[in-house]
Amino acid sequence: DGGITQSPKYLFRKEGQNVTLSCEQNLNHDAMYWYRQDPGQGLRLIYYSQIVNDFQKGDIAEGYSVSREKKESFPLTVTSAQKNPTAFYLCASSEQGGIYGYTFGSGTRLTVV
Amino acid sequence: KNEVEQSPQNLTAQEGEFITINCSYSVGISALHWLQQHPGGGIVSLFMLSSGKKKHGRLIATINIQEKHSSLHITASHPRDSAVYICAVRSSSNYQLIWGAGTKLIIKP
Repeated sequence: DGGITQSPKYLFRKEGQNVTLSCEQNLNHDAMYWYRQDPGQGLRLIYYSQIVNDFQKGDIAEGYSVSREKKESFPLTVTSAQKNPTAFYLCASSEQGGIYGYTFGSGTRLTVV
Repeated sequence: KNEVEQSPQNLTAQEGEFITINCSYSVGISALHWLQQHPGGGIVSLFMLSSGKKKHGRLIATINIQEKHSSLHITASHPRDSAVYICAVRSSSNYQLIWGAGTKLIIKP
């Protein structure tokens, strides 16, 4: 079955450490997205990529980095520069910029301890 | 003011009741999405609308483009419908999704 796999589901990180969240899709979608969700707020776009080897900053890119070396994979690194990294992170993908809709992963809950 | 507003923020109802969740937006859109998020966190797309009305099982979604408003209805609600329902619009200017904060629905047996 086609879909998006995010791993791990729960992640704990010590302050000052970088951590990488995985997102893999087998839908052959060109575009992939990373969102952050905080309680009581709508999802906010961190980074997106419309094609391999290219990505764009979203609304809250500071303290995050991404790569898109393969069409199937769009890992997100939360760096030590992110001041408040504890949040729920969702990955999504779409064909042609989302005109046919989006597919979402099950998310990763990151807690900084 | 948020570009996408949902109401109510929280809704508790008894099993069998007819449920309505509202979404208003202030930007130009190419499509509106209704999504469901269960306590585990994963999001499932329910509907994508650009006009009119769509129905899937007990769920009905409507949109009024002129009034910039959409509603999600659930008929004969059931405890398994308990979830957060999220409205998101695809901006017609930059084609990115703008998200509402969600409506937390609890259906009591």
